[in-house]
Amino acid sequence: DTAVSQTPKYLVTQMGNDKSIKCEQNLGHDTMYWYKQDSKKFLKIMFSYNNKELIINETVPNRFSPKSPDKAHLNLHINSLELGDSAVYFCASSQRSSYNSPLHFGNGTRLTVT
Amino acid sequence: DAKTTQPNSMESNEEEPVHLPCNHSTISGTDYIHWYRQLPSQGPEYVIHGLTSNVNNRMASLAIAEDRKSSTLILHRATLRDAAVYYCILRSWYSGGGADGLTFGKGTHLIIQP
Repeated sequence: DTAVSQTPKYLVTQMGNDKSIKCEQNLGHDTMYWYKQDSKKFLKIMFSYNNKELIINETVPNRFSPKSPDKAHLNLHINSLELGDSAVYFCASSQRSSYNSPLHFGNGTRLTVT
Repeated sequence: DAKTTQPNSMESNEEEPVHLPCNHSTISGTDYIHWYRQLPSQGPEYVIHGLTSNVNNRMASLAIAEDRKSSTLILHRATLRDAAVYYCILRSWYSGGGADGLTFGKGTHLIIQP
């Protein structure tokens, strides 16, 4: 069973569209994250959610909005997509109450904006 | 998170040990040393972490210098499946109980020759 799963795996869309990426974890973790990996392969944290509260927002444009219906899900909504949003987006989870709890990552969603 | 320095790439032969170095001269007393790896087309994967003593698990060993300013990830017998980018990351136990996520650097691209 996949611990952290993301859908879709690939997403191709045009500029200006609005899209969502879904993430689910079955590990019982209380913290979830979104990371962006650009074409140069740099991994940067975008958001962190703990018990449905946003606790990190690394100066991400407000076109990006994380939504967490429950502890097991953290979806990423992107409005008015731009060419520069093309990247691989990774969801991850960990257990905040256990410091040094490893992060478990999904296998990513490759977003291509044309 | 304090900064780490790793070689951009390393090459090794299959079935031989691999020693991946990491320098972290500005490490603080609250920083744990974490290693993750990212296989092609996959999300990052936790490998090992330690504070002061050397650590072993089923994936690798972590050797930490006495002054903690450097560490070495050891793959005892590399296989082709170990070809990946390896990230050395400092993570403070003090920072929000582990809910701050991870700050990834460039990592070391490990190439395994058959």
